[in-house]
Amino acid sequence: SYVLTQPPSVSVAPGQTARITCAGTNIGSKTVHWYQQKPGQAPVLVVYDDSDRPSGIPERLSASNSGNTATLTISRVEAGDEADYYCQVWDFTSDYVFGTGTKVTVL
Amino acid sequence: QLQLQESGPGLVKPSETLSLTCTVSGGSISGTTYYWGWIRQPPGKGLEWVGSIYHSGSTYYNASLKSRLSMSVDTSKNQFSLRLRSMTAADAAVYYCARQNWDSHSFDFWGQGTLVAVSS
Repeated sequence: SYVLTQPPSVSVAPGQTARITCAGTNIGSKTVHWYQQKPGQAPVLVVYDDSDRPSGIPERLSASNSGNTATLTISRVEAGDEADYYCQVWDFTSDYVFGTGTKVTVL
Repeated sequence: QLQLQESGPGLVKPSETLSLTCTVSGGSISGTTYYWGWIRQPPGKGLEWVGSIYHSGSTYYNASLKSRLSMSVDTSKNQFSLRLRSMTAADAAVYYCARQNWDSHSFDFWGQGTLVAVSS
């Protein structure tokens, strides 16, 4: 089965840049989506198709995907960015796979 | 604005069957570009895709749940449903329903989720 591995946690000071990685075998050949989940809430799609943002998602959130790693970048981090973030792909053998999740803490 | 709302029991006994329904409002469940899915999240853990259904009734399920899972759709009520048999403590989770974009394979709208406990 296909596995997506994320760091358990990332800490960042306000105004700085947070980078969340999502590692998977040849993930660059797949399409990656990213979700933000705040405590007690449902996940929200924040990036789809590797790097596109749904309407209403700020430009501070950007993403890339190449080789064996996809990355979500949050620029000029704000307190409201504190949340769990999950990557997700569709894999021919495993269907819908979510990453292990990363908790972003704003210091 | 599209909205999804899960409904069902918050407590199920071990070995019994879980039945959940997702009601879609603000849009039709019969859209050609979308599947409709269930995703679950055990307390304090990550997300797991459960299964998906098209408005025609076509389904595909997580291989690990396939033997216990069935899904159905009622287009007249704009609803789709999940039945998971032989529930165990490992099935305790928040269950989310979501719209699944077939082109991108992303889940672009989610319900608020419903917590299901398994206990006698």
